[in-house]
Amino acid sequence: AQSVTQLGSHVSVSEGALVLLRCNYSSSVPPYLFWYVQYPNQGLQLLLKYTSAATLVKGINGFEAEFKKSETSFHLTKPSAHMSDAAEYFCAVRYSGYALNFGKGTSLLVTP
Amino acid sequence: GAGVSQSPSNKVTEKGKDVELRCDPISGHTALYWYRQRLGQGLEFLIYFQGNSAPDKSGLPSDRFSAERTGESVSTLTIQRTQQEDSAVYLCASSLREDKYNEQFFGPGTRLTVL
Repeated sequence: AQSVTQLGSHVSVSEGALVLLRCNYSSSVPPYLFWYVQYPNQGLQLLLKYTSAATLVKGINGFEAEFKKSETSFHLTKPSAHMSDAAEYFCAVRYSGYALNFGKGTSLLVTP
Repeated sequence: GAGVSQSPSNKVTEKGKDVELRCDPISGHTALYWYRQRLGQGLEFLIYFQGNSAPDKSGLPSDRFSAERTGESVSTLTIQRTQQEDSAVYLCASSLREDKYNEQFFGPGTRLTVL
């Protein structure tokens, strides 16, 4: 079965430190890739999506993700964490059809 | 403009009762999706609507689950004879049209607790 794996259900970083959230997909054919963020008591919001135009994708709030076909990965990064980045982050993949396959999510904690 | 809205925001019910969850998509969005998020899990796809028809119902977990959409707007997800394992957050999303890159806009969800 095709799947999405997010390594680390909880990630803690200091304010100003690099944020790295990992996502791997299982497919020999590159799927359509997305990162969503869910702030407390809010709905999911699209951070960025891979459209095959470039392997490095820039999203909102300073986040970016790099598509690496050889590693079947689409990790999310941000050079410097802000307190406001604390949220739940979901990697999502569309292999075929209409549905998005979501990872289990990574909760990002930013400490002062 | 308004986003996707869902009601109720919270629903507590007794095992065996029927529940109805409502989703109001963004005006003009022809595609509508239902997902379920159990505690500690990712989102599970339930059903997809294009207009008023549902070309993909493959995620509905059992025949106790059904959904309809009327007037290319509001959708209702119905769970009959609820079980404790139905407890989850039910999320609705809509998109302007169906294509491989199209962004799905999510509502805040309905938290269902079955006692």
